[in-house]
Amino acid sequence: DQQVKQNSPSLSVQEGRISILNCDYTNSMFDYFLWYKKYPAEGPTFLISISSIKDKNEDGRFTVFLNKSAKHLSLHIVPSQPGDSAVYFCAARSPSGTYKYIFGTGTRLKVLA
Amino acid sequence: DSGVTQTPKHLITATGQRVTLRCSPRSGDLSVYWYQQSLDQGLQFLIQYYNGEERAKGNILERFSAQQFPDLHSELNLSSLELGDSALYFCASSVGQGSYNEQFFGPGTRLTVL
Repeated sequence: DQQVKQNSPSLSVQEGRISILNCDYTNSMFDYFLWYKKYPAEGPTFLISISSIKDKNEDGRFTVFLNKSAKHLSLHIVPSQPGDSAVYFCAARSPSGTYKYIFGTGTRLKVLA
Repeated sequence: DSGVTQTPKHLITATGQRVTLRCSPRSGDLSVYWYQQSLDQGLQFLIQYYNGEERAKGNILERFSAQQFPDLHSELNLSSLELGDSALYFCASSVGQGSYNEQFFGPGTRLTVL
């Protein structure tokens, strides 16, 4: 059972426009969410995070929004740049006893020049 | 460069064999995490060690085992390998036990089981 879902396997956006990557989760106990970016032949790198007590966190061109009632989070990239082309994973932390991170299957973003 | 190193980069072996993947965490990081990424799958959390002790367990098969040594490097042992074990195996490290600690990922080991 996939507790963290990224339903769009791929997304193409024109350079300069907004990229919106979506992530849904099923467990209301998740208390911390992260986005990772992964280039080919490299490990994922941390991008931005948000605690469940917040609904928005911004870092430069990247903003993460959390809608707890809908169990949905999204990553906005504005403006999108060709260097943003990568696979983006969302992850949720399960606080039950020992901390575990559950990752989605990823969305491949392609920013077209 | 995340500071996390993994060896080997690629590994090709046959079904039924046993392999060991190695991970060196970033300097100062006490936690090591292992993840498996199969084709078209997300990162599946396998296991976490903190300062030599097992801290959390995910979807790790009984054929797989891991340990963290006193120098904090970690090894993931995969035995009785099956075709379905072919995947990218990532190691990550963090300073603490994982409360709000960012995890830094290594480049991964690509395992191919023939």
